[in-house]
Amino acid sequence: GENVEQHPSTLSVQEGDSAVIKCTYSDSASNYFPWYKQELGKRPQLIIDIRSNVGEKKDQRIAVTLNKTAKHFSLHITETQPEDSAVYFCAANGDSGAGSYQLTFGKGTKLSVIP
Amino acid sequence: DVKVTQSSRYLVKRTGEKVFLECVQDMDHENMFWYRQDPGLGLRLIYFSYDVKMKEKGDIPEGYSVSREKKERFSLILESASTNQTSMYLCASRSHRDEQYFGPGTRLTVT
Repeated sequence: GENVEQHPSTLSVQEGDSAVIKCTYSDSASNYFPWYKQELGKRPQLIIDIRSNVGEKKDQRIAVTLNKTAKHFSLHITETQPEDSAVYFCAANGDSGAGSYQLTFGKGTKLSVIP
Repeated sequence: DVKVTQSSRYLVKRTGEKVFLECVQDMDHENMFWYRQDPGLGLRLIYFSYDVKMKEKGDIPEGYSVSREKKERFSLILESASTNQTSMYLCASRSHRDEQYFGPGTRLTVT
């Protein structure tokens, strides 16, 4: 089955700096890569996603890049703000069988933005 | 607006009790999931269901069972609760290959 590795597990940045979180996946057939943000005490919520036919996607201060050859994808947050502090999860969706129904998640990155 | 709801936000049970966690979604999603979330371990899949009465084991199914009698409802059952099942339980639903929506979570404490 799919395996997703996420790094780093914790990340501290100064307000205004950029933050980058990286994930690798094992199943070359995976075709959907979402990123979830979980604030303290709240449910994970989708912030951005990318499909395998696209190399990069941006939404205001966040962007995701995908390198299918290397099987890795990254989340970039620019001009970080204190409200960006949260746990971020990457995930990958397999393409066949039961793997096409479920997302495999990374273990999460705790981002702290220091004012 | 998609809604995934869970029957309880907080639950305290005794060792050996049978525990039911209920999840309901209102978007006619085919797929529903149960995860447990523990510090440092991320989101671990317990069971999922891709159709009524269908279920598939996830990564950590031991000690749990599930039931899906109606499309909108997915139940997680702890047959005999143990202290190592103290955790945050998250339900989720999604249509095929699209965004996954999570419920608010149930913080279960087994004493």
